[in-house]
Amino acid sequence: AQKVTQAQTEISVVEKEDVTLDCVYETRDTTYYLFWYKQPPSGELVFLIRRNSFDEQNEISGRYSWNFQKSTSSFNFTITASQVVDSAVYFCALSEAGGANNLFFGTGTRLTVIP
Amino acid sequence: DSGVTQTPKHLITATGQRVTLRCSPRSGDLSVYWYQQSLDQGLQFLIQYYNGEERAKGNILERFSAQQFPDLHSELNLSSLELGDSALYFCASDRAPDSNQPQHFGDGTRLSIL
Repeated sequence: AQKVTQAQTEISVVEKEDVTLDCVYETRDTTYYLFWYKQPPSGELVFLIRRNSFDEQNEISGRYSWNFQKSTSSFNFTITASQVVDSAVYFCALSEAGGANNLFFGTGTRLTVIP
Repeated sequence: DSGVTQTPKHLITATGQRVTLRCSPRSGDLSVYWYQQSLDQGLQFLIQYYNGEERAKGNILERFSAQQFPDLHSELNLSSLELGDSALYFCASDRAPDSNQPQHFGDGTRLSIL
């Protein structure tokens, strides 16, 4: 069965601090995709990144970076030099190739960046 | 702007009533997914349609149903509403289930049951 665990329910940091959001997943499939979505206070879900299970290269996009480690079934997300606009709920999600492509979401981590 | 359009943005109704939520996918997308975000259950997959046909079902109640029309827009029908159905309902779309493309979400419909 598929499962995504985001153990951190809420995190508060002071602006300009770095913060890492943890994500651990479970799946029996060998081919799968991992995602991060951002949900700002306005409520919409914003796509941030997708990784497939065969690509363990870390990715950096501006202040955002992602660390994918199959050995620990983790796909962690780091925000460098956090800003107030980063305050949101962040969701990690999993989909399995060969299935319907629907997403299994974690419970989310609420990040508050304090000015 | 994700290109996925959901209407209405807000819906307030009473227990026992029936409502219809509408979703227009991004141009070129054939697959539509419905998700429910509630305080109790978090974000969970309800149902998926691809090119007019039901493709997959998740944790969708029997009181809920959906369909996808020839113009590819989709509707989610919720009936005999209960207080626990209050939630944010998202629609997402992608080209096809095996397109290996990420889903893009609409802004959601917030349903409040009084």
